[in-house]
Amino acid sequence: SYELTQPPSVSVSPGQTAFITCSGETLNDKFASWYQQKPGQSPRLLIYQDDKRPSSIPERFSGSSSGNTATLTISGAQAMDEAAYYCQAWDTSTLFGGGTKLTVL
Amino acid sequence: QLQLQESGPGLVKPSGTLSLTCTVSGGSISNAFYFWGWIRQAPGRGLEWIGNMFFDGATYYNPSLQSRVTLSVDTSRDQFSLKLSSVTAADTGVYYCAAKRGSYYDFWGQGLLITVAS
Repeated sequence: SYELTQPPSVSVSPGQTAFITCSGETLNDKFASWYQQKPGQSPRLLIYQDDKRPSSIPERFSGSSSGNTATLTISGAQAMDEAAYYCQAWDTSTLFGGGTKLTVL
Repeated sequence: QLQLQESGPGLVKPSGTLSLTCTVSGGSISNAFYFWGWIRQAPGRGLEWIGNMFFDGATYYNPSLQSRVTLSVDTSRDQFSLKLSSVTAADTGVYYCAAKRGSYYDFWGQGLLITVAS
């Protein structure tokens, strides 16, 4: 079965750039989406169709995809960006990555 | 702007059936641009897809849950529902309903904590 693999944790200093990767065979020809989830909150869509950002999402969040890896980039990370981040892809089934806990310190 | 709200009992007995409803507002559940989905999250764990459905009744289930899951829709009430049978403690978690447009979920409910316990 297909899987999406994310690093369990990523750390970044405030103002620096964080990269969160998502790997899986299905990403070769399927779009990736990214979600942010803070404790006690529902997931929030950050990126869709690999690199598109909803109008409400700050420009410091961006996405890219190459081969079987999608990447979420957070430029100039802020303390408020501490959260869990999930990638997701869809074929006939929906797949979520295991999630990455971003620490900004 | 779509809004989704989960409802249902927060406590379900082991071996029983979990039944949840999601009410859609700010738009019609018969909107052909959207699929309607359920996603859950066990305590301290990641997101797990349960299934999606279209307003015409077409359903798509997570293969690992397919034997226990039924999704249904009530277009007259702009609601869709989840039934998960033969529940165990492993089914405890927060259950979210969400609207899927194309390949992504752009609107989510606030989530409902479901505990399986006697």
